[in-house]
Amino acid sequence: QVQLVESGGGVVQPGRSLRLSCAASGITFSTYGMHWVRQAPGKGLEWVAFISYDGSNKYFADSVKGRFTISRDNSKNTLFLQMNSLRAEDTALYYCAKDYGSSSWYRGDFDYWGQGTLVTVSS
Amino acid sequence: EIVLTQSPATLSLSPGERASLSCRASQSVSNYLAWYQQKPGQAPRLLIYDASNRATGIPARFSGSGSGTDFTLTISSLEPEDFAVYYCQQRSHWPPLTFGGGTKVEIK
Repeated sequence: QVQLVESGGGVVQPGRSLRLSCAASGITFSTYGMHWVRQAPGKGLEWVAFISYDGSNKYFADSVKGRFTISRDNSKNTLFLQMNSLRAEDTALYYCAKDYGSSSWYRGDFDYWGQGTLVTVSS
Repeated sequence: EIVLTQSPATLSLSPGERASLSCRASQSVSNYLAWYQQKPGQAPRLLIYDASNRATGIPARFSGSGSGTDFTLTISSLEPEDFAVYYCQQRSHWPPLTFGGGTKVEIK
């Protein structure tokens, strides 16, 4: 079955960096676009970033543009989110999610989600 | 950016009752709208895609309707496991992808 397992969260001071990972199994990872979606404590869902199946297309929410980067290693079935210049408002549970499309086309909705990794930005 | 407004914020109903959840878009999203269910401590789960199509394994009591700017998620007869938070999400104009603020369906 499909499994997405996030890791790399933790407590970090404002202005510092953190790198999240998402290990995928049960799918042909290299054929799917992938997203990061976050959820602040007690709040709703916020889309963060997308990367196409081959890494050639990347999109970001305005709230993280210029600070976060998304990448993937298809040889290791792993998705990454590099978060720099972290702010208190980045505190959230970060989910990786598989795009419902496939191969060279992507849809922008999410059919599988991981359980999330918690990032807390605090001094 | 397309803003999605969900109403009501909270819906208090009893098991067996019918639930109707609304999602309104700030501009037309055609039928490019999805619904997700989220239970406490769990990741969201895709229920409905493209406004009216049930995702794999979703029970028939869940249905979606609407197009353009007005959408409805209907649960025909609430089961105990259906009490959760529901989010709509549009993919018509992105980036960014946007979600509604959620509707909590609670036990009356």
